[in-house]
Amino acid sequence: EVQLVESGGGLVQSGGSLRLSCAGSGFIFSNYAMHWVRQAPGKGLEYVSGIGDNGEHTYYAKSVKDRFTISRDNSKNTLYLQMGSLRSDDLAVYYCARGTGIVVVTPVDYWGQGTLVSVSS
Amino acid sequence: QSSLTQEASVSGTVGQKVTLSCTGNNNNIGSFAVGWYQQISHGAPKTVMFGNFLPSGIPDRFSGSKSGTTASLTISGLRPEDEADYYCSTWDYSLSAWVFGGGTKLTVL
Repeated sequence: EVQLVESGGGLVQSGGSLRLSCAGSGFIFSNYAMHWVRQAPGKGLEYVSGIGDNGEHTYYAKSVKDRFTISRDNSKNTLYLQMGSLRSDDLAVYYCARGTGIVVVTPVDYWGQGTLVSVSS
Repeated sequence: QSSLTQEASVSGTVGQKVTLSCTGNNNNIGSFAVGWYQQISHGAPKTVMFGNFLPSGIPDRFSGSKSGTTASLTISGLRPEDEADYYCSTWDYSLSAWVFGGGTKLTVL
């Protein structure tokens, strides 16, 4: 059974940093692109970042570019999101999701349960 | 403002067929496969369609199609448990990022 489990969310001060993790199991992690998607309270889904199967290619939404860094450790079946210079509008539930292929352009098929990131001013 | 346009709300009665639409442009829907995601009561999203594929466990009452720069999700034999928010998404070549629609709130009467 495919499982994605996020961790690392919490309360952080504005301007601070946080690292999210997403542990994958039940599939060959290195064979799939992975993504982060977030949802602010009462809002819709928003793309954050994606990474190809081998970590060579990364992509970011304009709203997080130069502040967030996506990475993966295929030996640990884990996806990461290093978040910096956090602002109030980064407050959201962050979901990791598995792509349906090795590249980021294909849709996702599995989602994690999400982890909440709160930012205090 | 979302890059993809979806109806804000759609409603249907039990047993009815409803179609949700998602409109983009040639940089996104016109060029890449579309995913449809169901979210019930702001829980974790669930994929109900990607490209022309139905994920395992999703009933074949769900079907997807695409024509030019518009994608559609059709739900036949509507059931109460289909009541949810539905989001479409696809890759955008010009942005080098995914784009999402604003979501359609489906109400089952």
